[in-house]
Amino acid sequence: EAAVTQSPRNKVAVTGGKVTLSCNQTNNHNNMYWYRQDTGHGLRLIHYSYGAGSTEKGDIPDGYKASRPSQENFSLILELATPSQTSVYFCASGGEGYEQYFGPGTRLTVL
Amino acid sequence: GDSVTQTEGLVTLTEGLPVMLNCTYQTIYSNPFLFWYVHYLNESPRLLLKSSTDNKRTEHQGFHATLHKSSSSFHLQKSSAQLSDSALYYCALSENYGNEKITFGAGTKLTIKP
Repeated sequence: EAAVTQSPRNKVAVTGGKVTLSCNQTNNHNNMYWYRQDTGHGLRLIHYSYGAGSTEKGDIPDGYKASRPSQENFSLILELATPSQTSVYFCASGGEGYEQYFGPGTRLTVL
Repeated sequence: GDSVTQTEGLVTLTEGLPVMLNCTYQTIYSNPFLFWYVHYLNESPRLLLKSSTDNKRTEHQGFHATLHKSSSSFHLQKSSAQLSDSALYYCALSENYGNEKITFGAGTKLTIKP
């Protein structure tokens, strides 16, 4: 059974709209991460969290907010979506030894 | 901040030939963790190899890599490519002081042809 799940798997949004991407993990890991994947840029860290109630800015946080209401759940919020945020988004949870476990990804298209 | 450089964006090889994907890194920390993650089409990225020990070869699933701190390198190698090795490969770096934040390279797309 998948330990990191994401919803929705695909999303089409309009420019200026609000988008929420959700992530759930059953690994009981303290750390969770949101990345976006773009050709030529690889995986870039947007926000991460050390535990419930905590969020930290990653390398490219502008235009994104994050929320960690519980150990299991970590959301990425785009308050005003723009076409430049069209991408594939991956959530991950972080285990011991710095290994990260990724979800299946969410393909977001902003028109 | 930290950075990871993968010089080849695309690598195409014939089945049976050796694989070498380059990875160099920059960090101010003296004891980093280096990783190779593999991302197969329609799957999630997953860890392939990791190391924090200088000059020690690490192996998994036929692939190997050796961390060389003197040259800040962690190249991925395999003696004989298989069609199933076609995937996107990421080299990544973590500062070894407990925050578990990983910096990924831009990735190398490896395509193996018959």
